[in-house]
Amino acid sequence: ELKVEQNPLFLSMQEGKNYTIYCNYSTTSDRLYWYRQDPGKSLESLFVLLSNGAVKQEGRLMASLDTKARLSTLHITAAVHDLSATYFCAAPSNYGGSQGNLIFGKGTKLSVKP
Amino acid sequence: GAGVSQSPSNKVTEKGKDVELRCDPISGHTALYWYRQSLGQGLEFLIYFQGNSAPDKSGLPSDRFSAERTGGSVSTLTIQRTQQEDSAVYLCASSWGPQETQYFGPGTRLLVL
Repeated sequence: ELKVEQNPLFLSMQEGKNYTIYCNYSTTSDRLYWYRQDPGKSLESLFVLLSNGAVKQEGRLMASLDTKARLSTLHITAAVHDLSATYFCAAPSNYGGSQGNLIFGKGTKLSVKP
Repeated sequence: GAGVSQSPSNKVTEKGKDVELRCDPISGHTALYWYRQSLGQGLEFLIYFQGNSAPDKSGLPSDRFSAERTGGSVSTLTIQRTQQEDSAVYLCASSWGPQETQYFGPGTRLLVL
């Protein structure tokens, strides 16, 4: 059964600093998703990483995937307050032949302070 | 274009009552998913529909939960004899197919008193 673990679960950063969120998953997966959730809101798709070594960047966020290490990272560069949110990683579950549903990590609550 | 929509946005009910939650997926998306999000359990998969195939019900927590998808589009999640532990945000998502990016609706916040 696939398990997805994120760390840290809580992250308080100062504006302008860099940090990395880690996402480990327990069984083979060929893709990994990152979502953002603002308080009281739904999940917004950030990145889908489709292969080993994949790297995607959007503004101050960069995500990468290492399928051999079963590890994805979300790197934050020069954080700004607008990045404050909860970030989830997720991988497709292959349990019972289902190829569709996602297994989510517990989320990393990021707070960027001036 | 229009995203995934859900109704109602909030629902307060009494323990033991039945509730129905509705999801309208993005037009043309063949895959539809229900998840629930609660403080204690995080994001949990409930049920998955893909085209005309039999749904994957492996995430439903009990037989009080059921869902249907009519005409390959709108879906309804029904919770019978609600319990306080059913209180959560119920999220619907859709995608072009399995393994494609899932787009989430705004959710239905359910409170069982």
